[in-house]
Amino acid sequence: ILNVEQSPQSLHVQEGDSTNFTCSFPSSNFYALHWYRWETAKSPEALFVMTLNGDEKKKGRISATLNTKEGYSYLYIKGSQPEDSATYLCAFKRDSNYQLIWGAGTKLIIKP
Amino acid sequence: EAGVTQFPSHSVIEKGQTVTLRCDPISGHDNLYWYRRVMGKEIKFLLHFVKESKQDESGMPNNRFLAERTGGTYSTLKVQPAELEDSGVYFCASSQDGRYGEAFFGQGTRLTVV
Repeated sequence: ILNVEQSPQSLHVQEGDSTNFTCSFPSSNFYALHWYRWETAKSPEALFVMTLNGDEKKKGRISATLNTKEGYSYLYIKGSQPEDSATYLCAFKRDSNYQLIWGAGTKLIIKP
Repeated sequence: EAGVTQFPSHSVIEKGQTVTLRCDPISGHDNLYWYRRVMGKEIKFLLHFVKESKQDESGMPNNRFLAERTGGTYSTLKVQPAELEDSGVYFCASSQDGRYGEAFFGQGTRLTVV
């Protein structure tokens, strides 16, 4: 059974603070790791696709790292803003012909 | 360019009724995926079309679910008869490149079976 775990399940962060959360996935047969951002009633939006061990990707104040050998990825948000409030989803792909396996998400709430 | 659109955005039906969800992918995207998220749980894969063919339907829960993609354009997902446990948000996504699976999602259809 392939499981993708995300922690914490939810997170309250003060506006202006930085934060990070984790996605854990099977460390064998790695192909790609995706991060999505999902605001309720909107479409999930792709943030990053990560494929190489040691990858670091950045988009504005959001960045992500990848460790395929130990099976985890971190998502970092620097200087949180209210508009960062959303559920952050990660999804793991073990080979090119296999579907994405999703974590349950981390719900981030930014307190003004 | 229009994104992935899903219809309806919400549906409330009684147990035993039939519901059909529709997804219009981004034009030119051969890959179309259906997913479902039950509240608070992870998104679950249902199936994957490449053009009009079902590439992978391993996630379809049972034979009450029928997906079609005639002509390789829009897709429908029919639930007949609906059960209470079918409630959730049904997402459709499309992509050009099925290998990495980076996909563009619709806003989802929230299905409530009462």
